[in-house]
Amino acid sequence: QVQLKESGPGLVAPSQSLSITCTVSGFSLTSYGVHWIRQPPGKGLEWLGVIWAGGSTNYNSALMSRLSISKDNSKSQVFLKMNSLQTEDTAMYYCARDEGYGSSYSYWGQGTTLTVSS
Amino acid sequence: DIVLTQSPASLAVSLGQRATISCRASQSVSTSSYNYIHWYQQKPGQPPKLLIKYASNLESGVPARFSGSGSGTDFTLNIHPVEEEDTATYYCQHSWEMWTFGGGTKLEIK
Repeated sequence: QVQLKESGPGLVAPSQSLSITCTVSGFSLTSYGVHWIRQPPGKGLEWLGVIWAGGSTNYNSALMSRLSISKDNSKSQVFLKMNSLQTEDTAMYYCARDEGYGSSYSYWGQGTTLTVSS
Repeated sequence: DIVLTQSPASLAVSLGQRATISCRASQSVSTSSYNYIHWYQQKPGQPPKLLIKYASNLESGVPARFSGSGSGTDFTLNIHPVEEEDTATYYCQHSWEMWTFGGGTKLEIK
């Protein structure tokens, strides 16, 4: 069955960078895109970016200078990298499978919590 | 960027009654073929769950008491009759060129 699982450092100091991994199973990254979405504690959902099956990417325009999404198809892993972290980046980070351009997310990971604090 | 405005921010509905949530887009998110609006339900400690895709198409396994409608810039999620388990926060999302979410609507069952 389709599964996505996020993993990350948990705690990062301000101004540092982070890398979060989304490991997928039950489908191939050469056939589906993967999105990243985050949710600060007690707040709403914010779309971060997407990496398509072919490897191209799109980013949230407000964050694109700090974001990078890449993947390793052979390892079924997608990577989210963000630099210059601030306390406002504290959030739950989710990855979700794209069901086709313009579509919705039927499959989500359980999320990984990131806290930015000294 | 397209902004999605949900209303109300919160509502309380009596068991068995109707809950109506609105989502307004800052520009049209519809073509003649598709309405690029989707609805999710999120309960505490869980990722969002897809309820409705393309404005009115019920996701497999979702109870028929959930329904969606609308086109252009105005969309609605209806839940009738509401049940205790529908207590959650509901989000609309657009997928027109890019992707953004509405601010969410917290539903309480009285």
